[in-house]
Amino acid sequence: QKEVEQNSGPLSVPEGAIASLNCTYSDRGSQSFFWYRQYSGKSPELIMFIYSNGDKEDGRFTAQLNKASQYVSLLIRDSQPSDSATYLCAVNAGTGGGNKLTFGTGTQLKVEL
Amino acid sequence: SQTIHQWPATLVQPVGSPLSLECTVEGTSNPNLYWYRQAAGRGLQLLFYSVGIGQISSEVPQNLSASRPQDRQFILSSKKLLLSDSGFYLCAWSLGNQPQHFGDGTRLSIL
Repeated sequence: QKEVEQNSGPLSVPEGAIASLNCTYSDRGSQSFFWYRQYSGKSPELIMFIYSNGDKEDGRFTAQLNKASQYVSLLIRDSQPSDSATYLCAVNAGTGGGNKLTFGTGTQLKVEL
Repeated sequence: SQTIHQWPATLVQPVGSPLSLECTVEGTSNPNLYWYRQAAGRGLQLLFYSVGIGQISSEVPQNLSASRPQDRQFILSSKKLLLSDSGFYLCAWSLGNQPQHFGDGTRLSIL
């Protein structure tokens, strides 16, 4: 069974600090990786996606992928209270049709003043 | 730009009643469409996905069914709801292997 693992948290960081969120996956054939942010009671919102090993930066967000270690992470620089949410990691195995994703259960991030 | 609409936002239904949730996408053609359920404090569980009109793949055995009568319309149904069907139902779309984008969701409570 394909699995995506995340620490449920909560991960607490002070305002202005770097938040580091981690995710591991079991399927070595996985091809694409996504990070979604979900505020309480709301639907998930796409933050970042990454397909190749290495880093991908978008504003305050950096996604890091290491396929050999089956590990993907999300760094949030200069964390703000508005970043407080649950962050979902999702993985697409790339086989079969339909771009199906397997989601982790999410990491709750709390940015404290 | 593409938009996705889901309704209703909230729904309270008695056990044994039928269900119909609707999702439509605007601004694109031939999207992949998905139905997910998120139970309280749990991750997202893929229920159904569709790559085209009339093409439905079921991911888990359950009390629900899905249909895609038009290219950009996806419907989630049940003939008789169970207590375990409670949850947050999310519709999503994507093009090819591009990221999925979610609707606002329907919060379903079964009494």
